[in-house]
Amino acid sequence: NAGVMQNPRHLVRRRGQEARLRCSPMKGHSHVYWYRQLPEEGLKFMVYLQKENIIDESGMPKERFSAEFPKEGPSILRIQQVVRGDSAAYFCASSPQGWSTEAFFGQGTRLTVV
Amino acid sequence: QQQVKQSPQSLIVQKGGISIINCAYENTAFDYFPWYQQFPGKGPALLIAIRPDVSEKKEGRFTISFNKSAKQFSLHIMDSQPGDSATYFCAASANSGGSNYKLTFGKGTLLTVNP
Repeated sequence: NAGVMQNPRHLVRRRGQEARLRCSPMKGHSHVYWYRQLPEEGLKFMVYLQKENIIDESGMPKERFSAEFPKEGPSILRIQQVVRGDSAAYFCASSPQGWSTEAFFGQGTRLTVV
Repeated sequence: QQQVKQSPQSLIVQKGGISIINCAYENTAFDYFPWYQQFPGKGPALLIAIRPDVSEKKEGRFTISFNKSAKQFSLHIMDSQPGDSATYFCAASANSGGSNYKLTFGKGTLLTVNP
């Protein structure tokens, strides 16, 4: 049973471009959570999704950021018109139901904006 | 405003020694306190967690001590091993409304255990 898969592992984007980060949850997991880790900071919650539904997006920046978890395929975190301050590690986690000890993080996507 | 303060930022311990990492929180609604271990290039992995109805929880060499009145909790790693070298994060969340997924993390402690 593969763990939470994130790709790409590393992503470099120029300012103004779009970044698309993918997260495939563990088999049997239908809940996905995205966190962001800025340099020398702890992880910060961004958004919680279930299949085809956004449950809580209270941690998402108001502009340029969006997330989806379609019926088929991975969850996508999309950042439009990236700026240098978006450079961070983005982690997703998945769980079979609500958050519990069965929630596992992926290896993260390191986004660098140049 | 940082709601979970973690110290020290880095820690060097000799093999066999005790590693102690401390965290303090502000939000009295927090009722779940996990510790995560993160190796370079990997995602955080749950190590051990505690709820405020107990003052201590032990799992193998890892112990959480919790002081509700002081709003502090700490991780103790007994008989520290070089393989324990990693970054450790404390976190907290409030289960009110089922939002325990909204963890607030400390900034992390880089632990190095020398052989």
